[in-house]
Formats: sequence, C-alpha cells, structure tokens
Amino acid sequence: SQQGEEDPQALSIQEGENATMNCSYKTSINNLQWYRQNSGRGLVHLILIRSNEREKHSGRLRVTLDTSKKSSSLLITASRAADTASYFCALSGTYKYIFGTGTRLKVLA
Amino acid sequence: EAQVTQNPRYLITVTGKKLTVTCSQNMNHEYMSWYRQDPGLGLRQIYYSMNVEVTDKGDVPEGYKVSRKEKRNFPLILESPSPNQTSLYFCASSLDFGSSGNTIYFGEGSWLTVV
Repeated sequence: SQQGEEDPQALSIQEGENATMNCSYKTSINNLQWYRQNSGRGLVHLILIRSNEREKHSGRLRVTLDTSKKSSSLLITASRAADTASYFCALSGTYKYIFGTGTRLKVLA
Repeated sequence: EAQVTQNPRYLITVTGKKLTVTCSQNMNHEYMSWYRQDPGLGLRQIYYSMNVEVTDKGDVPEGYKVSRKEKRNFPLILESPSPNQTSLYFCASSLDFGSSGNTIYFGEGSWLTVV
C-alpha cells in the first residue's frame, strides 16, 4: 500500500515545546503534503514538499523529506494550545491522493 | 472566497432510504473526490473524478455512486444506505491531478448516521 503511516499516533506536549511527527511511505513519490484537521472539521493544507527538496519552512512549521528512507517529518516549533489538532501526510498516488491515519496532537496550556 | 460546500452537514437516516450528499466547488477545479473518515482508519477515498464525465473508483466504492455532469458539482449517492456507511464524509477538490502537487481543498464534512 502507498498509504503514509504517521507516528506517533498521539502526542501530548506542553505549550511552548516543539512537536515532531513523522510520515513513512512505501513507494516513490513526486511530492508530499501535510494537512491539519481540527476535531470533526475539514482538512486544511499546511505545506507541500517536492521530491527534489529536502527541507521547507513555513512560519513555525518545518518539513523535511528523506526520499532514501521514504520518510518525512513535520516539526511545529513553540507550540500553542491552538495547534491542538490531527495532522496528516498526503501522498500523490496513481490519480489519487492517499492520506495516512494521522497524528493527534494535544498541546496543554 | 475559495470554497468546497457540501450538504447536508448532519443527517440521520434509515437503512435503505436513498440519499444524496451534494458537493460544489467555486474554484473551477478539475479534480474532485470523496473520502470517508472512520476512527483508526484515517481518510479513505470512495470515488474521484478527473473532469466532467470522468469518474473512477477509489479504495472503498462499494455502496456508493457518483456523477460529474458539471465541473463544479460532484454528488455522492447512497442508493441503499446501511449502518456500516455511518461515517464522516468529506468532499475535496484540487486544480488538477498533477505530479507537481496541488493543494487539496476540503469541505467541512458531512456526518452521516444510518440506523
């Protein structure tokens, strides 16, 4: 399966700490995206990284991609209570986007 | 404002009663798809459409139908709903399906309960 596998499944941290979540996949990809979902709501795009990129930044977000290990990580720095959400990686499969099962992040105030 | 609008947002229905969940996008996107989200299973794709009159099955198409008669609309049809179709459903769209990657826009979700 091409499905991305995120780990950890759940993560609980204190406000101000950094949060790191990982996505591993099995096949070659052209790009990988990260999305955020607040409880029961639609997913919102965070960042896209292409296969020829190793690292990308957007505000407090840092994404890395290691195509040799078939893995990506999302780092949220200086987390806030409002970052509490589920985070998903998405891969481009054959004519479809494939989402992982997500990491549930809880940031404690 | 770029939007994917799906209706209804919440629905409780009975087994066997046909229902349609509508989805509309205002971004002139070619690619549209439907997902269901269940605890522990993440998002699973039901159907997708590359353009008008072009649809194909995703990973879990059984019990569902779709149509794409207009570019902006992509309704999901449950001809004879069953309790195992109780789920949170999302419609999504993107400009096209390109290898360079396009942002996927999601609707707010439709909570469906089949009793």
